[in-house]
Amino acid sequence: EVQLVQSGAEVKKPGESLKISCKGSGYSFTSYWIGWVRQMPGKGLEWMGIIYPGDSDTRYSPSFQGQVTISADKSISTAYLQWSSLKASDTAMYYCARQGTLVYYFDYWGQGTLVTVSS
Amino acid sequence: EIVLTQSPATLSLSPGERATLSCRASQSVSSYLAWYQQKPGQAPRLLIYDASNRATGIPARFSGSGSGTDFTLTISSLEPEDFAVYYCQQRSNWSWTFGQGTKVEIK
Repeated sequence: EVQLVQSGAEVKKPGESLKISCKGSGYSFTSYWIGWVRQMPGKGLEWMGIIYPGDSDTRYSPSFQGQVTISADKSISTAYLQWSSLKASDTAMYYCARQGTLVYYFDYWGQGTLVTVSS
Repeated sequence: EIVLTQSPATLSLSPGERATLSCRASQSVSSYLAWYQQKPGQAPRLLIYDASNRATGIPARFSGSGSGTDFTLTISSLEPEDFAVYYCQQRSNWSWTFGQGTKVEIK
């Protein structure tokens, strides 16, 4: 069974750093892209970026380039999304999702990680 | 960047009624369009890919159509569990975009 399991909810202060994770299982982790999607409170879905764990090829949305870093450790089948200095506006639910190499859609999603940034 | 515009923003219907949701792309995406369903407190779920193919386990009451710039998701007869928010999504030139969503609510 394909599963993407994300790390738990986080409460942080502005200016702090954070790294959240997404662990894949039940499939070949290095053969699928992992994307990250933001959903701000009461809002829609925004694509942030995507990584291919097989070779760490990474693409970012222009809206998020320079704001976050996406990485992966294929030895433990885990992808990461990190911030070096959080802002209140980073408060959101963050989802990871799997995408096949020859397709464009996300077929499996993690359960989401809620990040709250507040002083 | 291709912009996806969904309409209406909210659809108020009763169980058993037919729902018709629209997604319009700012330029052609051929048939490379997907639809997702999101219920409160849950992650999105893939419903339709390549405009008209149902994902694994999706009931036949969900159907998709369209190509180029105009796409439609149809729910033939709404079940109580279908009241949710629906998003369309495309990828072009290493840029993925979602529509802003259509909420299907109980009338």
